[in-house]
Amino acid sequence: EAGVTQFPSHSVIEKGQTVTLRCDPISGHDNLYWYRRVMGKEIKFLLHFVKESKQDESGMPNNRFLAERTGGTYSTLKVQPAELEDSGVYFCASSQAGTYYGYTFGSGTRLTVV
Amino acid sequence: GEDVEQSLFLSVREGDSSVINCTYTDSSSTYLYWYKQEPGAGLQLLTYIFSNMDMKQDQRLTVLLNKKDKHLSLRIADTQTGDSAIYFCAESRYSSASKIIFGSGTRLSIRP
Repeated sequence: EAGVTQFPSHSVIEKGQTVTLRCDPISGHDNLYWYRRVMGKEIKFLLHFVKESKQDESGMPNNRFLAERTGGTYSTLKVQPAELEDSGVYFCASSQAGTYYGYTFGSGTRLTVV
Repeated sequence: GEDVEQSLFLSVREGDSSVINCTYTDSSSTYLYWYKQEPGAGLQLLTYIFSNMDMKQDQRLTVLLNKKDKHLSLRIADTQTGDSAIYFCAESRYSSASKIIFGSGTRLSIRP
């Protein structure tokens, strides 16, 4: 079974530009999550999709961040315009409904805003 | 509130046991996890424990939970160089689909 795939693995952009991160969950996983780790700190929750609906977006830092999940399959996270403090590693994870042993995480996208 | 704390660094000699400690504040935590992140890789679920358990053992890994003190530990027996990684303590509540609250991670380094 293919794991959770994230694109790109690295991205370097200038402040003020737009970046779109993509996550392909494991096929059949209804739950999809975005997390990020900034500056070696804790990994923080951003939002949770159940299929195409946003179940919990309490962790989204501000309206510069927009997450979508087309048809309940892959998801994108767009940052527009990017700021320096957005630099970090963005992780995506997915799980089946009823899973009780945690999620499967992707390898992350390292975003550097200069 | 939701807070998970762990020390940032741990150095152990190869072959010794490693013990990584974690404290959490949310008494409603239902699931507690240890994740491992190797360089350049994603987060790998190492093990998890339900809040109604005190201990869980899985090969070289032993997880101890003191619910009264909200303290979780991960012991790695016979630590090997391949165990070098960042270990994240994490918790969630209600259901497995709930968001997971992570600590800052403990970087484990192995010395010969």
